[in-house]
Amino acid sequence: DTGVSQDPRHKITKRGQNVTFRCDPISEHNRLYWYRQTLGQGPEFLTYFQNEAQLEKSRLLSDRFSAERPKGSFSTLEIQRTEQGDSAMYLCASSLGGENRGGNEQFFGPGTRLTVL
Amino acid sequence: AQKITQTQPGMFVQEKEAVTLDCTYDTSDQSYGLFWYKQPSSGEMIFLIYQGSYDEQNATEGRYSLNFQKARKSANLVISASQLGDSAMYFCAMRDRASKIIFGSGTRLSIRP
Repeated sequence: DTGVSQDPRHKITKRGQNVTFRCDPISEHNRLYWYRQTLGQGPEFLTYFQNEAQLEKSRLLSDRFSAERPKGSFSTLEIQRTEQGDSAMYLCASSLGGENRGGNEQFFGPGTRLTVL
Repeated sequence: AQKITQTQPGMFVQEKEAVTLDCTYDTSDQSYGLFWYKQPSSGEMIFLIYQGSYDEQNATEGRYSLNFQKARKSANLVISASQLGDSAMYFCAMRDRASKIIFGSGTRLSIRP
């Protein structure tokens, strides 16, 4: 399978615990994005990477959230001291980058559904 | 601030009819891109179509076309000959110059047999 993969697909945790999600983008894609989607809403941008550089972070990404892409390939999103409001689907997407249509098309992974009890 | 507005929370359409999903956007950037994504009940986000702000022709991808009216800042999705499998949530989205992506709140499309 050469699409975007995410692990785990589901995570249930207790409030206050730390969680980490992984995203493996399509191998030749140099851009990687993280989004959060709550029920009935569109995805909300969290952050994105161009290779290993984190170029933009949303204000939604509080100091409890950190994302890395150490070698410009896979990425991790960590949430520390989880709160019930963190319950959501966390989506990862990747793209080639560039200004043309092909460069802008984002391919999404299946998401990680987080439930904080 | 950039914003995407989808004013139709839900739509019902008869199978084989054409349907237009509305999207308006707000940006001060000159260079931007517009997308439409489909999200079936299974949850995956499926890319449908892309329009660059400098593209002079409306984008088309099979049964999907994007009616881009730059002066009105609208980017409506037209689905021709709708099928039962088109039932899903549809999101309009915009990429700005800095590659940040903003999604609208979505339209739930239901196709009646």
